[in-house]
Parts: sequence; structure tokens; C-alpha cells
Amino acid sequence: GDSVTQMEGPVTLSEEAFLTINCTYTATGYPSLFWYVQYPGEGLQLLLKATKADDKGSNKGFEATYRKETTSFHLEKGSVQVSDSAVYFCALSITGNTPLVFGKGTRLSVIA
Amino acid sequence: DTGVSQNPRHKITKRGQNVTFRCDPISEHNRLYWYRQTLGQGPEFLTYFQNEAQLEKSRLLSDRFSAERPKGSFSTLEIQRTEQGDSAMYLCASSLVWDVRNGYGYTFGSGTRLTVV
Repeated sequence: GDSVTQMEGPVTLSEEAFLTINCTYTATGYPSLFWYVQYPGEGLQLLLKATKADDKGSNKGFEATYRKETTSFHLEKGSVQVSDSAVYFCALSITGNTPLVFGKGTRLSVIA
Repeated sequence: DTGVSQNPRHKITKRGQNVTFRCDPISEHNRLYWYRQTLGQGPEFLTYFQNEAQLEKSRLLSDRFSAERPKGSFSTLEIQRTEQGDSAMYLCASSLVWDVRNGYGYTFGSGTRLTVV
């Protein structure tokens, strides 16, 4: 079945460090790909998305590029802040009628 | 618009009791989803509605679970004869069909945390 694999956490970085969270997927078709973020005590928020190969999603300094050849959608940010501390989830959806499938999440802690 | 609202935020119940959660989606959204999230895991799909019709149910949704969306507005998720393994965060999300088919994501509520003791 369709699935998403994320790097294990937790990830601990110092403020202004470079962030990469790896995400790879397995899908029977051509999925749309998403990154969601969950801050403590809150629901999931859509961070960015990409709907086709080579698309780059970006938001709040975060970026991810849809790589069909490597079936990947790695999340990056050039300079993290303490306020970026959260759990990040990679997700996919094959068509508009299939529910989002999530990875297990990667917890990021940024220390000042 | 206040977004997706879930009530209660927290529920503690004794094993064997029945519990019901409510989700109020964004008013114009015709799709409504339920997910379950356990500690350290990603959200797992349970079921979804388009208007009042329940279109898909996961095999995770045992016979003790039932969901409804009367009149295509709010939804309820009921768990009968709760078990300790039901302890989790139950998340509701909503969307427009058009948004989903064009690669947009869902809007999630803050969830209901269930603890079965």
C-alpha cells in the first residue's frame, strides 16, 4: 500500500542551524505530497505542498522539492528558530478521493 | 470562521464506558475526516464523509466505533465499550472536494484526547 517514511527523531539543533528532515514515499500512482507541522497542544497545520514532480513547495522559510526519481520530499530550512520546535509530518494523497497517508513524524527541538 | 472545532478537548473514561466526540467543520466544507493519533505516531485514517454520506472506513474502525454526519454539518464519533487501547488523540479535519482534487490539504482541529483508565 501507499506509505511514507520519515527520518527518526528527535532532531535537536541550535538556533540558526540548517535543517533537513528526510521523507520518502511509496505510492501506486502519482501522489500529491505535503508537510504538516504540529505545535505542542495544537492540531496539524499545513506547512507546504507539491502536486507534481519537480514542484517546490515553500512557506515560512521551509522548502521541499518533489523528486519523482528518488521518491522523496525532504524538508529543509536554512536557519531554524526556537519557534520552529514542533513535530513535522510528511504525508501523501494519490487522488482527491484517497485520504492523506502520514509518516510517523519527526520531532524537532531548537535550542537558543 | 473559527476553523475546525472539536469537543471535548480531553476525555477521561473508565474501561467499558461509551464516549462520543463532536467535530464542527469549517461551514462550507463538504468533506470531513476522522483520524486517530497515538503517542509517537502519525495520524491514522479512520473514516471520511462527503456531505452526509460516509464514503470510506478504515479497517481500524472496529464494530465498536461509529461515526455520523447528519445533514452534512457536524460529525460525531462514538466509541462503545472503550478499551485501554482506544487511548489516543482523535483528530477531525475538513476540506472542500475541489481543494482535495487540486492537491490542497485539509484543515485540522486541535483534537480530542481520550484516556481510558
